[in-house]
Amino acid sequence: AQKITQTQPGMFVQEKEAVTLDCTYDTSDPSYGLFWYKQPSSGEMIFLIYQGSYDQQNATEGRYSLNFQKARKSANLVISASQLGDSAMYFCAMREGLGAGGTSYGKLTFGQGTILTVHP
Amino acid sequence: ETGVTQTPRHLVMGMTNKKSLKCEQHLGHNAMYWYKQSAKKPLELMFVYNFKEQTENNSVPSRFSPECPNSSHLFLHLHTLQPEDSALYLCASSQAQGPGFNEKLFFGSGTQLSVL
Repeated sequence: AQKITQTQPGMFVQEKEAVTLDCTYDTSDPSYGLFWYKQPSSGEMIFLIYQGSYDQQNATEGRYSLNFQKARKSANLVISASQLGDSAMYFCAMREGLGAGGTSYGKLTFGQGTILTVHP
Repeated sequence: ETGVTQTPRHLVMGMTNKKSLKCEQHLGHNAMYWYKQSAKKPLELMFVYNFKEQTENNSVPSRFSPECPNSSHLFLHLHTLQPEDSALYLCASSQAQGPGFNEKLFFGSGTQLSVL
């Protein structure tokens, strides 16, 4: 079974509007972390935001926020006030085994990604 | 300028060739990774090096051979590849602090490999 599912292959949004990119995950580990990365056409993966499984508040980083619904196992990325430069592929990723005795270090499992296109 | 540099950016090779991908990180990190990104598939972790020691080999075929001479450099040696090995190969680094910590991975721009 897939550990990270991104059901939207492509999304379109008008400049200055908000957009939500969906991510659901599957884990039995009580300790885990969820990440969002952006991959522009240059190929480099750029870290955007992180949410820990025990974090009480939803993570925010500038125009990025993470809508974390633990019971639903979803970690959707919300981009507010979209800009043309936001057009890129977006990946959700998960790191498990963060509790005592876990050995995953930096190992991340990625979803298939969502291509976001921002229209002027 | 990115903290993780990969060369070459593009590589075309025949199935009988031997080539190497190079990755260098300027961030003072102690862990480095190779990921493979194929079309229409999620990124796949290939290898992890922590303090120059290989800590993970994710069932990668032996035609891919990693080398980590120091904590700043990582190589991926390629030989007798198959056309299905064509993909974007991404290198990443992090400051690994062991389990329980959120360390971010910093990626390079990748090497786009085509095997003919």
